[in-house]
Amino acid sequence: GESVGLHLPTLSVQEGDNSIINCAYSNSASDYFIWYKQESGKGPQFIIDIRSNMDKRQGQRVTVLLNKTVKHLSLQIAATQPGDSAVYFCAEWSYIPTFGRGTSLIVHP
Amino acid sequence: DTGVSQNPRHKITKRGQNVTFRCDPISEHNRLYWYRQTLGQGPEFLTYFQNEAQLEKSRLLSDRFSAERPKGSFSTLEIQRTEQGDSAMYLCASSSSTSGGVTEAFFGQGTRLTVV
Repeated sequence: GESVGLHLPTLSVQEGDNSIINCAYSNSASDYFIWYKQESGKGPQFIIDIRSNMDKRQGQRVTVLLNKTVKHLSLQIAATQPGDSAVYFCAEWSYIPTFGRGTSLIVHP
Repeated sequence: DTGVSQNPRHKITKRGQNVTFRCDPISEHNRLYWYRQTLGQGPEFLTYFQNEAQLEKSRLLSDRFSAERPKGSFSTLEIQRTEQGDSAMYLCASSSSTSGGVTEAFFGQGTRLTVV
C-alpha cells in the first residue's frame, strides 16, 4: 500500500547549524503535508504545513520544501537550538493524515 | 479553548479490564481522529469522525475497540478485555474540513495505556 517514510532515522547536529530532515511519500494523490515535532511523552506538535500547489513555505526558523516530481518533502530548521531536539514526523494527507516512522534530531550544545 | 484535551493522561489497568479514554477537540473542529503510537513508531491511524459520523476505521481497530462521538463534540475510545499488546499511547487529533479543504490537525497530549 501507500506509505510515508523518512530517509534518516537519526540526525545529529551542532547548536547553531542548519538541519535538514527529509521525507519520501508515495501516494501521488496526497495534496496536503504537515511536519510535526514530538518530544518524549507528549503528543505531536504542529510545526508547518504545505499544500500540493506550493513548492516552498516558510515559518519562523523553519522552511518546508515540496518536490512533487520525486515525491519528496524536507524540513529545514535554521540555527538549530537544543530545544529543537525531538522526533520529527512528516504526515501526508489524502483523506486522513498518515505518518512515517520519524527522524530523531539531536542537537549538541 | 486551549487545544485538544485528552483524559486521563495515564492509565494502568489489569489485563482483561475495560478502559475508556476521552478526547475533547478544538471546539470549532468538525473532524476528530484517533491514533495509536508505540515506542519508536509514528502514529497509526485508528478511526476518524466528521461531526458525529464515524467515516473510517482501520484494520487495527479490532472488535474490542469502539469509538463514539455522540454529539459531534467530544469523543470516547473504549477498549474491552484489554491485552498487553494494547499498551501504547493513544492520541486524539482534530481539524476542520470545509469546501476549501482540510486544515491542520492538532493533537492532544495523549493517553498512555499500560496493561499489566
